Parts: sequence; structure tokens; C-alpha cells
Amino acid sequence: DVKVTQSSRYLVKRTGEKVFLECVQDMDHENMFWYRQDPGLGLRLIYFSYDVKMKEKGDIPEGYSVSREKKERFSLILESASTNQTSMYLCATGPGGGTNEQFFGPGTRLTVL
Amino acid sequence: GQNIDQPTEMTATEGAIVQINCTYQTSGFNGLFWYQQHAGEAPTFLSYNVLDGLEEKGRFSSFLSRSKGYSYLLLKELQMKDSASYLCAVRGTGFQKLVFGTGTRLLVSP
Repeated sequence: DVKVTQSSRYLVKRTGEKVFLECVQDMDHENMFWYRQDPGLGLRLIYFSYDVKMKEKGDIPEGYSVSREKKERFSLILESASTNQTSMYLCATGPGGGTNEQFFGPGTRLTVL
Repeated sequence: GQNIDQPTEMTATEGAIVQINCTYQTSGFNGLFWYQQHAGEAPTFLSYNVLDGLEEKGRFSSFLSRSKGYSYLLLKELQMKDSASYLCAVRGTGFQKLVFGTGTRLLVSP
């Protein structure tokens, strides 16, 4: 079974803090993704990566950056957290071929005060 | 632009059949996915369609018509545990990213 883990289930931070969310997968998948999920807006793609040190902007990259130094690890960074970044953050991974279905981690509910 | 529409909420009775529709307008098309998400949990993959027609997997089936930009997820013999949100997602041209609809919350009552 694919296992995708995220560093925290719940996180509370203050406005202006630097926040790191980490995602680790154990299936040697090439592709990794960061989404945020908000009521009424669904899942929106922030950034994705298809290889080590490679990254691509998704639909809502503003205010975020990412890092992928190792294949199994994909980090999402909020350089200066703001209250409108309060959300559920979901990491997903997927193989480079086949149906390319994505496997999701359990999510991190981030609250920015 | 890219747009995926699905109903916000549906209700059904245990043992019944329910059909959840999804219409899409995207830049190119390379497959449509359905995911199930229980409250407070991560989405889990249900089905994938890339060619027109019906794909059956146990109690769940998914249908695709590319010419109409339309898909549906059919759930048979509904069980209480099927109460969840169902997410429709489309992979367009370009890389592996998916565009998700806002999800349909299904409530199954006894």
C-alpha cells in the first residue's frame, strides 16, 4: 500500500510566522502535489513536482514556496503566514505512468491567528 | 478556462441507487477521476475513465461521454458508510495535474 504521511494533523501559527509543512511518501513516486481544501472551493493545486529539485506552480502559488531535495519528500513553505492561509492542506503523490491516480496524505489543518 | 460542475449535496436512502453527475469544460482532456472523501479524512481513489463508456467496479460504476463533457458516478445498494463527499477531477493537457470540482456531499439515511 502507498503510504503518504504529513508532518502534522493540526497546526496553529501566528500571522507572520514561517511555516513548514512536510510530506513523505514511501512508494518511489515521481510526482508530488500540494493542495489546499476550503469549503465551497474544493481542492486547489498550489504547487507540484515531477522530479527532485523540479517544481511547477499550480493554480494558487502566491504566498507559498516548495522544496524537493529528495524524491520521497516534498515540503510546502509559507514564508509569512497570513490568516487567509488558514485551511486544510493535502499532499498527494502519483506515479509517472499508467492512470496517474493520486494518493493523498491525511492532511494538515492549519490555523493562522 | 477550466470549470467542473457537480451538485453540492444529495440525499438517498440505504439500499437505493444514486447517480452523481459531473460536467466539465477543460483545456484538453486526458482522463476523469472520481474520489471519495469521508469527513475529516483524505480523498481516496474510486475510478478512472479516459474512453467513453461505463466502468464498473463492484457497487460503484462511472460513465464518461467526452463529446458531452459529462460523467456520472453510480452507487448501487447504498450503505450508511457511503455517506461522504464525492469529488470529480479532470486531467487536462500538460502535466499530471488534476482539476477538481467542489465535490458532492452524499447523505445516506436509514
